[in-house]
Amino acid sequence: DSGVTQTPKHLITATGQRVTLRCSPRSGDLSVYWYQQSLDQGLQFLIQYYNGEERAKGNILERFSAQQFPDLHSELNLSSLELGDSALYFCASSVGQGDYGYTFGSGTRLTVV
Amino acid sequence: AQSVTQLDSHVSVSEGTPVLLRCNYSSSYSPSLFWYVQHPNKGLQLLLKYTSAATLVKGINGFEAEFKKSETSFHLTKPSAHMSDAAEYFCVVSEGLTGGGNKLTFGTGTQLKVEL
Repeated sequence: DSGVTQTPKHLITATGQRVTLRCSPRSGDLSVYWYQQSLDQGLQFLIQYYNGEERAKGNILERFSAQQFPDLHSELNLSSLELGDSALYFCASSVGQGDYGYTFGSGTRLTVV
Repeated sequence: AQSVTQLDSHVSVSEGTPVLLRCNYSSSYSPSLFWYVQHPNKGLQLLLKYTSAATLVKGINGFEAEFKKSETSFHLTKPSAHMSDAAEYFCVVSEGLTGGGNKLTFGTGTQLKVEL
């Protein structure tokens, strides 16, 4: 157990729907990062939050949004889902804004049918 | 932007023989480099990290990597492969971003197969 908790582990939904992925960071970590792993794009950085504020944005689609709550857990919202959004979504956490060597969760596997 | 290139998509070794997974990086300054491992249906685990303290970095499970600036390489090695090493390995570079943020850029991965 890495200390980073992601729920749910698996999610199957239809095109056009909206889902929410949840991440609880390791105790003491203030930064949360979201990554997407797909067969065609590999592992891609989506977004980073630090202590409740957005810190960095990567290749995140406009249909996707995220937030970090006062208790530091984070949610990634994916809407108007398309088949191509099927992927493994990882959350990672670190103590600071630019730490080296994050701790990753075990991921949420999203399947859009 | 910084990037990493993993030179082999698949590597196959026999149990007990050495492992070499190759990675080259591209960076305009001294990078922070990592190797992560992903076992089937599992998350990403940090094997080791280089942050300019020492060029030879020792990690978990007997893995090590050597940072060679002249060759822009950060190859991962292990003297003797074990069946449990079969997994996908990612070479990763860390990049600081405007505003104080940070992101990891992953290589395309090397699938390591260990045979009896």
